[in-house]
Amino acid sequence: AQKVTQAQTEISVVEKEDVTLDCVYETRDTTYYLFWYKQPPSGELVFLIRRNSFDEQNEISGRYSWNFQKSTSSFNFTITASQVVDSAVYFCALSARDNNDMRFGAGTRLTVKP
Amino acid sequence: EPEVTQTPSHQVTQMGQEVILRCVPISNHLYFYWYRQILGQKVEFLVSFYNNEISEKSEIFDDQFSVERPDGSNFTLKIRSTKLEDSAMYFCASSEGLLSGNTIYFGEGSWLTVV
Repeated sequence: AQKVTQAQTEISVVEKEDVTLDCVYETRDTTYYLFWYKQPPSGELVFLIRRNSFDEQNEISGRYSWNFQKSTSSFNFTITASQVVDSAVYFCALSARDNNDMRFGAGTRLTVKP
Repeated sequence: EPEVTQTPSHQVTQMGQEVILRCVPISNHLYFYWYRQILGQKVEFLVSFYNNEISEKSEIFDDQFSVERPDGSNFTLKIRSTKLEDSAMYFCASSEGLLSGNTIYFGEGSWLTVV
């Protein structure tokens, strides 16, 4: 069975602080994909990144970076110099055999205060 | 950039009424999905659809739910007789393929309130 755990329910930071959102996953499959989605207050789900299980290279995109570590089954997301517009719920998701199998974590609500 | 569009953005309906939520997936995508998010909870898979038939459905997708592709562009979710517990955000999504490497792109959601 697949499972995604986002232990942090809510995080509050002040603008310009760095913040890391944790994601721990479980799967028996050797090939799988991990995703992060952002859900701003308006409600839509915005795709941020996809990473496959064979690519442990960390990725940076502007202020966003992702740290994938198979040894600890984690796929953490860091926002550097956070901004108020980063306030949202962030979901980590895992998909193994196919997209019918996609599982979301419970989400982490990030609030960035001015 | 192509996107998944959904209508309505918000619907209020009385318990027992039928509801149809509409979606236009990304045009070159072949797989379509409906997900549900009850307020404050995680996003849950309802159903996937390919080649005009259901590919897979979850235990949530019981007989009161149905999906259809009535024409070449729309993809609909019908809830036959709504219950209070159907109140949720319903997301339509699409992907080019079914394999896990294909990213699922979500629409903006349709917020359903059953009163």
